[in-house]
Amino acid sequence: EAGVAQSPRYKIIEKRQSVAFWCNPISGHATLYWYQQILGQGPKLLIQFQNNGVVDDSQLPKDRFSAERLKGVDSTLKIQPAKLEDSAVYLCASRPIKGEKLFFGSGTQLSVL
Amino acid sequence: GQQVMQIPQYQHVQEGEDFTTYCNSSTTLSNIQWYKQRPGGHPVFLIQLVKSGEVKKQKRLTFQFGEAKKNSSLHITATQTTDVGTYFCAGAPGYSTLTFGKGTMLLVSP
Repeated sequence: EAGVAQSPRYKIIEKRQSVAFWCNPISGHATLYWYQQILGQGPKLLIQFQNNGVVDDSQLPKDRFSAERLKGVDSTLKIQPAKLEDSAVYLCASRPIKGEKLFFGSGTQLSVL
Repeated sequence: GQQVMQIPQYQHVQEGEDFTTYCNSSTTLSNIQWYKQRPGGHPVFLIQLVKSGEVKKQKRLTFQFGEAKKNSSLHITATQTTDVGTYFCAGAPGYSTLTFGKGTMLLVSP
């Protein structure tokens, strides 16, 4: 089966610019997550969707980050404007409704200069 | 909020030596999961433990869940160079969202 697809793989921007990441989960997976992984740390949850509804966005910096999953399938995460501390790998993960295991995509490595 | 702590942060072993990483939660967990992330890669699911005191084995890897469901360990017997990577535990109280630890980076010298 196809895995979780993410694009782009790498992105370099200057601070105060905007950036968007895209994720297509495994077909049929109702739950989708966006994680931020700073170098040397574990993944930190930004937002969790169940179909197209938000389950948990308590750690999403809503003044600059936004995410949507309009049709309950693919999702985009946007940062506007970016700060230096946003440099990280942004991982998308999905899970079937009756499973516990997370399937991660390859991530987008963001460098903010 | 819930915290999941892992120790050690880093371990360097000679091939053939054993390795153990420990995970501790500030709250009782409904389950704990372990993931492995190779250098430059993404986390890959290894196992889930659900029951108090549970022990599961995958070849040279042994996973334990504490009796109080607040701690867990991963033990690798006779490490190989293919075991290199960062091992993360992730847990959740009840049905809330998984919280990942900071991970233990394992280096194995041939």
